[in-house]
Amino acid sequence: DQQVKQNSPSLSVQEGRISILNCDYTNSMFDYFLWYKKYPAEGPTFLISISSIKDKNEDGRFTVFLNKSAKHLSLHIVPSQPGDSAVYFCAASGDSGTYKYIFGTGTRLKVLA
Amino acid sequence: ETGVTQSPTHLIKTRGQQVTLRCSSQSGHNTVSWYQQALGQGPQFIFQYYREEENGRGNFPPRFSGLQFPNYSSELNVNALELDDSALYLCASSLESGQPQHFGDGTRLSIL
Repeated sequence: DQQVKQNSPSLSVQEGRISILNCDYTNSMFDYFLWYKKYPAEGPTFLISISSIKDKNEDGRFTVFLNKSAKHLSLHIVPSQPGDSAVYFCAASGDSGTYKYIFGTGTRLKVLA
Repeated sequence: ETGVTQSPTHLIKTRGQQVTLRCSSQSGHNTVSWYQQALGQGPQFIFQYYREEENGRGNFPPRFSGLQFPNYSSELNVNALELDDSALYLCASSLESGQPQHFGDGTRLSIL
């Protein structure tokens, strides 16, 4: 039972444009959500998080949106840069993030120069 | 500030053997979590340690066990290795206050 789903395995975007990565979840007990970026041969790197009490969190070029009623979150990257090319994982947690993370299967983003 | 470090980076074992993977937490972090990432999948939670006690466990059999030491470093032990145990094993550390988990680069384990 996949509680966190990333239905797009890959995404290609032109440099300078917006990248939108999507994630859906099924467990209404999740109250903390995160996005990680992963380059080959490296561990996941934390990008941005959002608590369920918010619907938006912004950090530089990265913005995460949370729609609790739809159980959907998205990561917007504006403007996209070639260095953003990586696999992006969304993760969800109950207990305000002090416990285990449930990860999606990832979306491979390719930013074209 | 030193990040999360894992050793070894790569390891090859045969079925039935035992393996120990090691992790040093990021400075000041007292919570360590272990994840297994199979090819093409997201990381799957194995267990978490907080101040040397197991703080939660995922859907993994008892042959997966762990330890956390007073300096908050940690070990993952896997007994009776099976072919399906071939994966990237990731360690992540965090503060107890629920701050984001920070990952090491992982140990790539191959079972022949």
